Amino acid sequence: DAKTTQPTSMDCAEGRAANLPCNHSTISGNEYVYWYRQIHSQGPQYIIHGLKNNETNEMASLIITEDRKSSTLILPHATLRDTAVYYCIVSKFANSKLTFGKGITLSVRP
Amino acid sequence: DAMVIQNPRYQVTQFGKPVTLSCSQTLNHNVMYWYQQKSSQAPKLLFHYYDKDFNNEADTPDNFQSRRPNTSFCFLDIRSPGLGDAAMYLCATSRSTFQSNEAFFGQGTRLTVV
Repeated sequence: DAKTTQPTSMDCAEGRAANLPCNHSTISGNEYVYWYRQIHSQGPQYIIHGLKNNETNEMASLIITEDRKSSTLILPHATLRDTAVYYCIVSKFANSKLTFGKGITLSVRP
Repeated sequence: DAMVIQNPRYQVTQFGKPVTLSCSQTLNHNVMYWYQQKSSQAPKLLFHYYDKDFNNEADTPDNFQSRRPNTSFCFLDIRSPGLGDAAMYLCATSRSTFQSNEAFFGQGTRLTVV
């Protein structure tokens, strides 16, 4: 699976959009981009995934660049409960493994 | 309702004394994973089952074993826990398809070795 690179941390103000970047320049054609988050002392939680097209669900939006070498997770209206470590993971479809990188720590401030 | 259940949430074991952590799922997923997460680190995959097929990560110590007696249950056995095995152990499941392998995680078992 391709490797991902994320900034170590970022913060944003409550109510504002949080844009979390991820670089995956070695991604191959059959690899999906997944985002998970882990709130302190809890198990990771699936957020969203995509292959080529932008995706949106009730939690977030995923914007994937046309060359698929990077992506951005957007939390449109961040709340204090969104403070967590966010992991960007690249994985082949039908692959049974999810390999976590270091993730980015998002701190939402009041 | 919890879909991936890990018991207990907290486990204290003695150095060198075998310990078993358990995981159950109500999702009927074919894939089950065990991860180890040490303090301030990312979860690290130990092994996973694809149906009954066991897949061990190359760097998983022999001290760690696993059993999956049926679809719903999976166990992590640590034969001789050392101080370095103190960690959060996470169980996850997924239904691996050609469109998605969204994983569902349990709340984890925090293991302390004394």
